[in-house]
Amino acid sequence: AQSVTQLGSHVSVSEGALVLLRCNYSSSVPPYLFWYVQYPNQGLQLLLKYTSAATLVKGINGFEAEFKKSETSFHLTKPSAHMSDAAEYFCAVSPAGGTSYGKLTFGQGTILTVHP
Amino acid sequence: GAVVSQHPSWVICKSGTSVKIECRSLDFQATTMFWYRQFPKQSLMLMATSNEGSKATYEQGVEKDKFLINHASLTLSTLTVTSAHPEDSSFYICSARRGGSGNTIYFGEGSWLTVV
Repeated sequence: AQSVTQLGSHVSVSEGALVLLRCNYSSSVPPYLFWYVQYPNQGLQLLLKYTSAATLVKGINGFEAEFKKSETSFHLTKPSAHMSDAAEYFCAVSPAGGTSYGKLTFGQGTILTVHP
Repeated sequence: GAVVSQHPSWVICKSGTSVKIECRSLDFQATTMFWYRQFPKQSLMLMATSNEGSKATYEQGVEKDKFLINHASLTLSTLTVTSAHPEDSSFYICSARRGGSGNTIYFGEGSWLTVV
């Protein structure tokens, strides 16, 4: 079984400020972890993924996330927020490998607002 | 460009009718695809795993007779919402697993279904 908890349904930052979106997971098997972004009325865009290689994962648009097994966390960060980062962000977990790989369990999402 | 395409992007149907949504992998073969549903302002929930050449595996609480999934070829999975009702109005999105374990998961653009 697997689950994802995203702490904070809404996060608001000023343009240029640090973005930190929190994600904690639970999984009975080794996990792969993902962050997706969804703009209004659109599909999902993959920001980055952890697949058991480096624990610090760099993604698109300046985002990165660190897999911390001891804390069961995979928090998403960006040093400097841009107005275009305003969107909803989803953390997701999948079994690592096997026939269930790709079967994602999503967190509840965090809406990021960026103020000028 | 998109490697997984969904069609239609938007569909409105009358209550009691059936509607089919297609999910195609454009330049790779996908033996496994996944169907998710997202209600407004909510997260994505896995509905079923679509397996080429065999029956789909449905998640608990998803009515298999209402949400018919067919994966007749290595590049196409279809979701048919039968006898649609307004409560079925939602965003439906598919994903396809490219390659084997640990390889990339691609999402389609999603399909908005409105039942009137």
